Formats: sequence, C-alpha cells, structure tokens
Amino acid sequence: SQTIHQWPATLVQPVGSPLSLECTVEGTSNPNLYWYRQAAGRGLQLLFYSVGIGQISSEVPQNLSASRPQDRQFILSSKKLLLSDSGFYLCAWSAYRGGGEQFFGPGTRLTVL
Amino acid sequence: DAKTTQPTSMDCAEGRAANLPCNHSTISGNEYVYWYRQIHSQGPQYIIHGLKNNETNEMASLIITEDRKSSTLILPHATLRDTAVYYCIVRPSYNTDKLIFGTGTRLQVFP
Repeated sequence: SQTIHQWPATLVQPVGSPLSLECTVEGTSNPNLYWYRQAAGRGLQLLFYSVGIGQISSEVPQNLSASRPQDRQFILSSKKLLLSDSGFYLCAWSAYRGGGEQFFGPGTRLTVL
Repeated sequence: DAKTTQPTSMDCAEGRAANLPCNHSTISGNEYVYWYRQIHSQGPQYIIHGLKNNETNEMASLIITEDRKSSTLILPHATLRDTAVYYCIVRPSYNTDKLIFGTGTRLQVFP
C-alpha cells in the first residue's frame, strides 16, 4: 500500500532563517506531488505541484520554492522565512493519470517567530 | 474560487446518520463531485467521489441529484471520530492539479 511521509512534524524558526521540509511517498511510481499550506483557521491553498522529476508548477507568487530531485521526493524550501510563512504545510500525492483523488501526509506545523 | 456552497456547521448525535449537503449549481458536464474531510490537526482525507450516479463505499454514500446541481454526503452511523470539517469539491477527474477547498462544513458528533 502507498504511504506518504512528512518531516518534521513541528518546527519553530526565527524570521530570516532558511527552511527545508521534506515529503516522500512509498508504494507508487511517478506520482503527482503537491504542497499545500493552511493558515490558522483558513482553508487549504495549493502552493506547488509536480508531475515529474524536475517539473514544478507554482500556483502563487511567494517566498517559497519547491524541488523534486527524485521521483518520490518533494522538498519545500525558503532562503529567508517571513512571519507570514507560518502555517500547516501539507504534502499530497495522486496517481499519474489517476482518478483525481489526492492523498495527504500528516503535515508540518511551522511557526515563524 | 470554490464552486460549492456548504453550511458552515452541523451537529449530529452519535449513531445517527449525518447528512451533509452541498450545492454546486454551476457544475460542468465533465466535473466530478469529491468529498474530503479534515480532522483537527491532520491532513485531509479522501472520502468519496461521483459523477452522476449515487456512490457508496466503506466510509460513506454520495447522493447526487438528477440535475447534478447538488449532492449529499451521508455517514450512515456517525461516531465521535467523524467530527471533522467536510469539504465538497467539484473538478474534472483528469485534472492533475489543484483541489480548491472552500470553507467546508464543520460536523460535530455528540454523544
């Protein structure tokens, strides 16, 4: 069966520090991968999605970037965090040419101070 | 913009059926209705989806009206663990990109 991992589970970082969040998927090949962010009390916002290695689409202009160095690895990064980057970051995958269902990881709760 | 309208919150007694409505009056012919839920501090969980026929799986049933302008998610025997925010989303099945989450319905199951 497929599983999706995210780490760390929680993170507290000072403003201006770098960020690296990692997501890995097991049990499937060539998945579509997604990064979402959920601000406190708000809905989910898609940040990036990827349909293959090195292929990244950005949904909103922001302080963050994403990379996909391997088929089942998706990384969210920032060179300098802002207070507004605080939130709940969720990685998700869907099957290549699948039925549209997306499966989410456990999330990383980021607090920028 | 979310293409769906859902009540902000609902209550349901444990063991009773929870019926969560969703309006999607502008749905296109190639768009499916998807339901997800998000338990507090967890990632969203896929529940079910359908095009025009009613669907049932181990978690829930989805009833779609004949004109496809609205649907109802039914949890047949709600438990306390079903307390969550439920999201109704319409999108083409082949779309590989974003799910547009609205504000959803906060379902509170009480003992």
